[in-house]
Amino acid sequence: GAVVSQHPSRVICKSGTSVKIECRSLDFQATTMFWYRQFPKQSLMLMATSNEGSKATYEQGVEKDKFLINHASLTLSTLTVTSAHPEDSSFYICSAKVGYEQYFGPGTRLTVT
Amino acid sequence: GDSVTQMEGPVTLSEEAFLTINCTYTATGYPSLFWYVQYPGEGLQLLLKATKADDKGSNKGFEATYRKETTSFHLEKGSVQVSDSAVYFCALGSNDYKLSFGAGTTVTVRA
Repeated sequence: GAVVSQHPSRVICKSGTSVKIECRSLDFQATTMFWYRQFPKQSLMLMATSNEGSKATYEQGVEKDKFLINHASLTLSTLTVTSAHPEDSSFYICSAKVGYEQYFGPGTRLTVT
Repeated sequence: GDSVTQMEGPVTLSEEAFLTINCTYTATGYPSLFWYVQYPGEGLQLLLKATKADDKGSNKGFEATYRKETTSFHLEKGSVQVSDSAVYFCALGSNDYKLSFGAGTTVTVRA
C-alpha cells in the first residue's frame, strides 16, 4: 500500500527558532500533499495544499510566512515553522493524495519551549 | 460549504458490544465519504470508504453505508475488541480532493 513517512516524529525546540518537518511518500509519487494541524483531543485542521513545483495554497487564517511549505520533488514536501512560539506546539500531520484518497503520515509532535 | 457532523464521545463499551458512531454530512455535489481511525500517538489510517450513494464500505468488521437520502455515513461494528480502542473520524472528500473531518469520537473498549 501507499506509505507516507514523516521526520522527525517528535521535536522540541526553543522559542524563536525554526523547525523543519519532512513528509515523504515512500513507494509512490505524489504531486499533491496536504499539511494538517491537530490540537489535543480535536479534529484535523487543513493548513495548506502542497503542489510539486508550484507554490502552496494556504487555508484562510494560516500565515504563509510562518509556515513555509516546499514541495521540491514528487516524493518530498517540507513544512518549516519559522520563529516558533509555544502556541505553535501541536501535532502536525501530512498526507499524500493518490487519486481521490489521501494517505497519512504518522505525524510530528512539535513542542516549543 | 462542506461539513461533517459526528457523534460526540467519548464512548465506552465492553468487549463484544455493538458499536455505532453517527455521522451526517452537508455537501454540494457528490462527495466521497471516509472513516479514518487514529490510534494513540499515531497518524490517521483509512478504515473504509464509499464513493457513491448506497455503497457500503467495510474493513476489519466495521461497516458504513453511504445514505444520500439521510446524508449519513454511520459506522458500525457488531462485536468490538479492546484493540478497537481509538479515535474515529468521519470525513468528506470534495471535488478539489480536500478532506473535511468531523470532530472525532474517542472509543474505549474495556475487557
